[in-house]
Amino acid sequence: AQTVTQSQPEMSVQEAETVTLSCTYDTSENNYYLFWYKQPPSRQMILVIRQEAYKQQNATENRFSVNFQKAAKSFSLKISDSQLGDTAMYFCAPGYGNKLVFGAGTILRVKS
Amino acid sequence: ETGVTQSPTHLIKTRGQQVTLRCSSQSGHNTVSWYQQALGQGPQFIFQYYREEENGRGNFPPRFSGLQFPNYSSELNVNALELDDSALYLCASSPGRGTEAFFGQGTRLTVV
Repeated sequence: AQTVTQSQPEMSVQEAETVTLSCTYDTSENNYYLFWYKQPPSRQMILVIRQEAYKQQNATENRFSVNFQKAAKSFSLKISDSQLGDTAMYFCAPGYGNKLVFGAGTILRVKS
Repeated sequence: ETGVTQSPTHLIKTRGQQVTLRCSSQSGHNTVSWYQQALGQGPQFIFQYYREEENGRGNFPPRFSGLQFPNYSSELNVNALELDDSALYLCASSPGRGTEAFFGQGTRLTVV
């Protein structure tokens, strides 16, 4: 079974600070992608960042970066210079062929 | 470029009834996936359609069925509604299999 564990149900961070959300997953697949999505109260699931599992270089997208450790099956998300608009539920989601497998999510609250 | 749109936004149905949810995929996307997100949980994969054919199914009973049309829009049908079917239903389109998914705003279904 493909499982995803997000061990931090809730996190808080001060505006302008850095926060890291953790994610581990279990799979026997070799070819897959990894995604982080955010879901604000509006419910719209928004893609934050994408990582190909065959690439060793960690993906970066503006203030968002990942630390991908393939052997450890770990895929954490770092948010730098946190902004109030980053407040949302964050989901880690490995993608296998035709589907995404989501974790339970981490609620991130950015405080002013 | 229009994004993924879903209709209706909210829906209330009675146990035992049938419901049809609709999704218009993003322009140029030939793959549509449906997910069920219960309150406080991560989305779960229902099924995917690629060029009008079902391309994989999650652990959902046969009363969950779908269609994809030649313009790549899609429907999710649920028969014999149960109280546990109450959830946010998310549609996501992709430019191809194994690529990132772009989500609609979801349909909130309440079964009473």
